[in-house]
Amino acid sequence: EVQLVESGGGLVKPGGSLRLSCAASGFTFSNAWMTWVRQAPGKGLEWVGRIKSTPDGGTTDYAISVKDRFTISRDDSKSILYLQMNSLKPEDTAVYYCTTNLRDWGQGTLVTVSS
Amino acid sequence: SYELTQPPSVSVSPGQTARITCSGDALPKKYAYWYQQRSGQAPLLVIYEDIKRPSGIPERFSGSSSGTMATLTISGAQVEDEADYYCFSTDSSGDDRVFGGGTKLTVL
Repeated sequence: EVQLVESGGGLVKPGGSLRLSCAASGFTFSNAWMTWVRQAPGKGLEWVGRIKSTPDGGTTDYAISVKDRFTISRDDSKSILYLQMNSLKPEDTAVYYCTTNLRDWGQGTLVTVSS
Repeated sequence: SYELTQPPSVSVSPGQTARITCSGDALPKKYAYWYQQRSGQAPLLVIYEDIKRPSGIPERFSGSSSGTMATLTISGAQVEDEADYYCFSTDSSGDDRVFGGGTKLTVL
């Protein structure tokens, strides 16, 4: 059974940084393309970014709204996906979901950006 | 930027057929994916590549696509199908990946 468990969310001031983690199990993580999606309170889903599997190059793509501020990385030895978020803005406040390229989803972790 | 357009709400009585549409210029060339999100829960994939149903998803869920519109059909909707539904796809280049704005399905 695929399991994705996000952690690392919390309250951060505007301009601050936060790193989210997603612990994966139940599948071959190293072969999986992984995606982050977020959902602002009471709003719809927003695609944040994706990282290809290492065999497929491990390259990343980002939404324009987070490009140059967010970085996705992976540790295949630990089956962990990361989302490094810098220069955070109030509009980044959302539940952040880790997904297996939009097929299986974790339960999400809440990030609140507020002074 | 690319947009997918969904109706904000759809309402049906139990046992009726619910149809939720998703409109986008690139849909003739790109697949649509559909997600169900019940209140307080993570999204669940219910249809992928326009018409395919993941294992464990009831047969009453089906997908179709014609021209610039993809449709999620729930035949014989049940009270437990009440949720927000989102479509997902990409623009023609594959660079812009977007969700529709979501449709709130009410079954009562």
